[in-house]
Amino acid sequence: EAGVVQSPRYKIIEKKQPVAFWCNPISGHNTLYWYLQNLGQGPELLIRYENEEAVDDSQLPKDRFSAERLKGVDSTLKIQPAELGDSAVYLCASSLDRGGVKTQYFGPGTRLLVL
Amino acid sequence: AQKITQTQPGMFVQEKEAVTLDCTYDTSDQSYGLFWYKQPSSGEMIFLIYQGSYDEQNATEGRYSLNFQKARKSANLVISASQLGDSAMYFCAMREAQTGANNLFFGTGTRLTVIP
Repeated sequence: EAGVVQSPRYKIIEKKQPVAFWCNPISGHNTLYWYLQNLGQGPELLIRYENEEAVDDSQLPKDRFSAERLKGVDSTLKIQPAELGDSAVYLCASSLDRGGVKTQYFGPGTRLLVL
Repeated sequence: AQKITQTQPGMFVQEKEAVTLDCTYDTSDQSYGLFWYKQPSSGEMIFLIYQGSYDEQNATEGRYSLNFQKARKSANLVISASQLGDSAMYFCAMREAQTGANNLFFGTGTRLTVIP
């Protein structure tokens, strides 16, 4: 079974430029998460989707960040415009939330550097 | 207040020895879940082990076991027979049932280095 796929793995941009990250969850997983991981810290939730609905985006900085999950499968996270402080790792995770442990499985992340 | 506390920024262990990584948590919820993830330098968070708050026995998965002490609110990860490939960051995380969501709260992690 394929795991969570993310692209690109690395991205270097200049400040004020836009950037987008893509995530393909594990097949059949209905819930998708985007996390932000700053250097030396644990991941922090940005947004959670249940199918195509964003059910928790309270930590998403909506002035510059946006996300979508068309058709309840793939998801895109966008930053526009990027700031120096956005340099971090952006992790995508998915889970099957139909009873049980509901373990979240993570992708390899996108490492963003804003210059 | 921090929901998850990992007090060991770094740990060293000799190959083939056992090591314990500490994790304490803070919740008023009666139903919660505790997770451990491994993050190698490649960046991916790898799920290792899960303990539910109502589980009476400590969880085990191969060389990983979770020392769950509910009264002390601790969920330490024990890695037996350490291997060089165990060198990585280890994160403890908690999910609270009262939020009705599957959101995870992570600690700041412990960097484990296995010495040959």
